[in-house]
Amino acid sequence: SQELEQSPQSLIVQEGKNLTINCTSSKTLYGLYWYKQKYGEGLIFLMMLQKGGEEKSHEKITAKLDEKKQQSSLHITASQPSHAGIYLCGASYSGNTGKLIFGQGTTLQVKP
Amino acid sequence: NAGVTQTPKFQVLKTGQSMTLQCAQDMNHEYMSWYRQDPGMGLRLIHYSVGAGITDQGEVPNGYNVSRSTTEDFPLRLLSAAPSQTSVYFCASSSLNRASYTFGSGTRLTVV
Repeated sequence: SQELEQSPQSLIVQEGKNLTINCTSSKTLYGLYWYKQKYGEGLIFLMMLQKGGEEKSHEKITAKLDEKKQQSSLHITASQPSHAGIYLCGASYSGNTGKLIFGQGTTLQVKP
Repeated sequence: NAGVTQTPKFQVLKTGQSMTLQCAQDMNHEYMSWYRQDPGMGLRLIHYSVGAGITDQGEVPNGYNVSRSTTEDFPLRLLSAAPSQTSVYFCASSSLNRASYTFGSGTRLTVV
């Protein structure tokens, strides 16, 4: 979606290195969702951010939402081969539509 | 605790054939939606619904029909399949608070 831009499109990192994936919205978000997808499988929910400045962590993955609620970053510390896959950010906007729009996704490879 | 169930998992169609992809959820979620996933394009929203009897078009609705006669079911119909509809299709649902969206395991559709 042009409303939501995700970068980079792909990423190759050495095991143990840190990495960051960014997600930028063209308008103020109601909620920002991060999902992970293993190749050929379904989507796994990681976390949802809603408040400006909010930060959440799950194991070695940390996601932040900026104060203006238009940009989010996903940071992985000390990457492992199990982190490999496609990371997708999804955005919902105000109004009770239930509509969730996704960015293009980031394919992550972690080299042992 | 089934969550979101999609059937079939795989399907091959000939150009011009019609078929219905089934999606059912047992969480009493109000919001349901359909996405297609193509390489390098993330998930694109086809149609979505805020409740029984209410549907709306997403980013790529052409060639697809939906209806929502019950809260639980949200079928996606292809009236005349085209090779451009070869894709992986995901159904998702969420409650009104939009704390997270639950995805089905996907249907891999090939149109020859």
